[in-house]
Amino acid sequence: QKEVEQNSGPLSVPEGAIASLNCTYSDRGSQSFFWYRQYSGKSPELIMSIYSNGDKEDGRFTAQLNKASQYVSLLIRDSQPSDSATYLCAVVSGGYNKLIFGAGTRLAVHP
Amino acid sequence: DVKVTQSSRYLVKRTGEKVFLECVQDMDHENMFWYRQDPGLGLRLIYFSYDVKMKEKGDIPEGYSVSREKKERFSLILESASTNQTSMYLCASIRGGRRDTGELFFGEGSRLTVL
Repeated sequence: QKEVEQNSGPLSVPEGAIASLNCTYSDRGSQSFFWYRQYSGKSPELIMSIYSNGDKEDGRFTAQLNKASQYVSLLIRDSQPSDSATYLCAVVSGGYNKLIFGAGTRLAVHP
Repeated sequence: DVKVTQSSRYLVKRTGEKVFLECVQDMDHENMFWYRQDPGLGLRLIYFSYDVKMKEKGDIPEGYSVSREKKERFSLILESASTNQTSMYLCASIRGGRRDTGELFFGEGSRLTVL
């Protein structure tokens, strides 16, 4: 079983809709969870972090964490074509801020 | 402007060649990482370092080695390149000690092709 699993997509949503991206992880001891966005040909960039069960909102983005189910999600409200990218779920595993990444979900927002 | 700089954006090497990928960060970060990224597989951790001369294996260290002689520089070495090492290589750094930020700073990547 992979440590961090994501549906590879592509996830296609119309402009203005809510995009929902999901991630599961295997390490029950993980305490820190992150969403990175990667545009084609570019390096990943951090967009959200979450450490406690529940929801965390930042602008159009909401991260949701359920440690009992080992599940993390990212909601993007009012999706824009500029949100089209690959979204990577990452989990801190072990020490030294070592991040383990999922394979990523490709999101396509069409006008 | 903080930066992680990778020495080469594109490299083409032949099977069996020794390959050096260099990474330099100017943020005084303790922790540095080398990932490779392949379609459908995401970022996979090759090696990381939490201090000068210290290194730890990641998930896929076979065929690679690393060197960290100075805090700002972390090198990835392919002793004898093989075609299955054709990939995008990403270097990243993060400040040590704090376990809750998760903000890795990435270089622009080095696309290696092994013929």
